[in-house]
Amino acid sequence: EDKVVQSPLSLVVHEGDTVTLNCSYEVTNFRSLLWYKQEKKAPTFLFMLTSSGIEKKSGRLSSILDKKELFSILNITATQTGDSAVYLCAVSNTGTASKLTFGTGTRLQVTL
Amino acid sequence: NAGVTQTPKFQVLKTGQSMTLQCAQDMNHEYMSWYRQDPGMGLRLIHYSVGAGITDQGEVPNGYNVSRSTTEDFPLRLLSAAPSQTSVYFCASRDPNEKLFFGSGTQLSVL
Repeated sequence: EDKVVQSPLSLVVHEGDTVTLNCSYEVTNFRSLLWYKQEKKAPTFLFMLTSSGIEKKSGRLSSILDKKELFSILNITATQTGDSAVYLCAVSNTGTASKLTFGTGTRLQVTL
Repeated sequence: NAGVTQTPKFQVLKTGQSMTLQCAQDMNHEYMSWYRQDPGMGLRLIHYSVGAGITDQGEVPNGYNVSRSTTEDFPLRLLSAAPSQTSVYFCASRDPNEKLFFGSGTQLSVL
């Protein structure tokens, strides 16, 4: 059974801090790892990672994948209150339906 | 571009009642799915479909039915609601690059 573990479960930081969110996984026939941001409603897509060592970057957010050690990190620099959300990590396999397995998420709160 | 449209946003049911959560997408995605999200459990896959006429079970299918008569629509039916089905439900479609697009969610309470 595929498994995704995220840490920490929750985090409170001050505006301007840098944070690192962790995602480790076990999956049969890995295809991709995805990061989503969930504020009050539906999750929204951040990154998809398929290759080790290649950083994906979007503004203050970046992410990297290590397929040997089976984990990914999501970095947020110069955090803002608008970064407060639950960050979800998910992995997909190479099966016919390529189902996604989600972690329970990291709840990030950025305070002034 | 509406994306994934999910209705209703809120619903309260009594134990034993049945209902259908509606989901429609206008992106011509073949893959659609239903998730439930519970505190501390993350998003869990209920049912999914890889195309019209094809459905399959996910991780937590019991108590739910789905059908996929068209590419656009993927309704989720609760046959006889139970308090354990109190949850937030998300419909999602997926593009060929594996990005999931979520509906806005349905908060369901079963009393």
